[in-house]
Amino acid sequence: DIVMTQSPDSLAVSLGERATINCKSSQTFLDTSNNKHYLAWYQKKPGQPPKLLIYWASTRESGVPDRFSGSGSGTDFTLSISSLQAEDVAVYYCQQYYSPPLTFGGGTKVEIK
Amino acid sequence: QVQLVESGGGVVQPGRSLRLSCAASGFTFSSHAMHWVRQAPGKGLEWVAVISYDGRNQYYADSVKGRVTISRDNSKNTMYLQMHSLRTEDTAVYYCARESSPGAKTDCWGQGTLVTVSS
Repeated sequence: DIVMTQSPDSLAVSLGERATINCKSSQTFLDTSNNKHYLAWYQKKPGQPPKLLIYWASTRESGVPDRFSGSGSGTDFTLSISSLQAEDVAVYYCQQYYSPPLTFGGGTKVEIK
Repeated sequence: QVQLVESGGGVVQPGRSLRLSCAASGFTFSSHAMHWVRQAPGKGLEWVAVISYDGRNQYYADSVKGRVTISRDNSKNTMYLQMHSLRTEDTAVYYCARESSPGAKTDCWGQGTLVTVSS
């Protein structure tokens, strides 16, 4: 199984500042036919379902603010929030969807400093 | 619009069975693979199972393999999760989610249904 490891477990960022979350996988999941990494990022708030933010490691889902961006390749990926807003307080998860069992990272809790 | 509605959750004793349902609307259900994902209280997200668009292929997490069966009825636009031999560690909110296209992102999620396994 592919193991996804996120860091840090939590971080506190001032409003308007950048938040950076890392995700490392135990193996690569690059589709060489289309050069896409099967990695997604989700935002999870209490009492709400997960919200898809990023897929193919760097493609923003429709309707997601452009302050959210994804990057990375190989086994190392990053979710960045360029200018943290109050509504961004949540837990963020990476997920590989390359092959079952699909696996999530442990989550990163983002708070306001 | 696309909508997924889970039902069937509740309080159940350890060792008993429960069947969850996920009713879909607003899209061609029979064209999409579907997933179950859960979140235990205070824990992270855990993928549970997936079923192909036609129901022919299913995959499970090791934590539920042998105790859970995912199925679907495309004539009813509904997916199911039959759970047996429930354990306290199965206590979680269970979400169903749509796979946008084969092998791609899960882009739409239901609100979830809470399963509590307790004596």
